Amino acid sequence: RKEVEQDPGPFNVPEGATVAFNCTYSNSASQSFFWYRQDCRKEPKLLMSVYSSGNEDGRFTAQLNRASQYISLLIRDSKLSDSATYLCVVNSLPGAGSYQLTFGKGTKLSVIP
Amino acid sequence: DGGITQSPKYLFRKEGQNVTLSCEQNLNHDAMYWYRQDPGQGLRLIYYSQIVNDFQKGDIAEGYSVSREKKESFPLTVTSAQKNPTAFYLCASAKGNFPYEQYFGPGTRLTVT
Repeated sequence: RKEVEQDPGPFNVPEGATVAFNCTYSNSASQSFFWYRQDCRKEPKLLMSVYSSGNEDGRFTAQLNRASQYISLLIRDSKLSDSATYLCVVNSLPGAGSYQLTFGKGTKLSVIP
Repeated sequence: DGGITQSPKYLFRKEGQNVTLSCEQNLNHDAMYWYRQDPGQGLRLIYYSQIVNDFQKGDIAEGYSVSREKKESFPLTVTSAQKNPTAFYLCASAKGNFPYEQYFGPGTRLTVT
C-alpha cells in the first residue's frame, strides 16, 4: 500500500460546484496532516492543517478519520482561481522522524467557466 | 519580508558538471529540506537537516550532497553521479515542532543536456 494515496483526477467542475477530494494514508502512527495547493510549475503552498475534529476555512473544509486513515477536503462554491493540484500530506514517523512529511501525488482540479 | 529564496529560477548545465542550488531562509526555522519533483510525480525527499552542521539522507540521496554551515542556508549540489538530474528542485523549511508544517521556496528548474 502506498504511504499516501490520492485520486489523480483530473476533476473538471463548473464554477460554483462543490467538489470533494479524498486521501488515504498507510501509517497509523502519523500525527499531523495537511492539504497543500500547487499551481502549475510553482511551489506547493500550505492550504490548511487537518484536525481530528474537522476544520473549516471559508469555502474549504478538511476532515480526518483516524480509524479509517482517511483525509478529505471539501471545496464549496468553486472559483476559477481554485484550479490547481491539491496535495495530501502526512507526517510519516513519530519521534525524530516527525520532521519528515510524505506527499501524495496530488489531485488536479480544473474549474470551468 | 520573511521567506525562503532559491536561486536561480532556471539553470542549464552540460552532463558531467556539478551544479550547486542555493536555498536561503530568514524565518528562523531549524529544519530545512530538499525535494525533487518530476513531471506527474509527487515530491521525493533528497536530504534534510534538523540543526546546523547536521543532515540526513532522504529517499533519493544518491548523486547529491548538502551542507548546513549556517541556520539560514542549505545548499544542494547535484553531482555528475546523479543519473537523471533534470527536474524541479524545491527547498523547504520548518520550525521543527508540532505540527511540522513545511514552507517552500519558489524552486529551481534544472535542465542537464
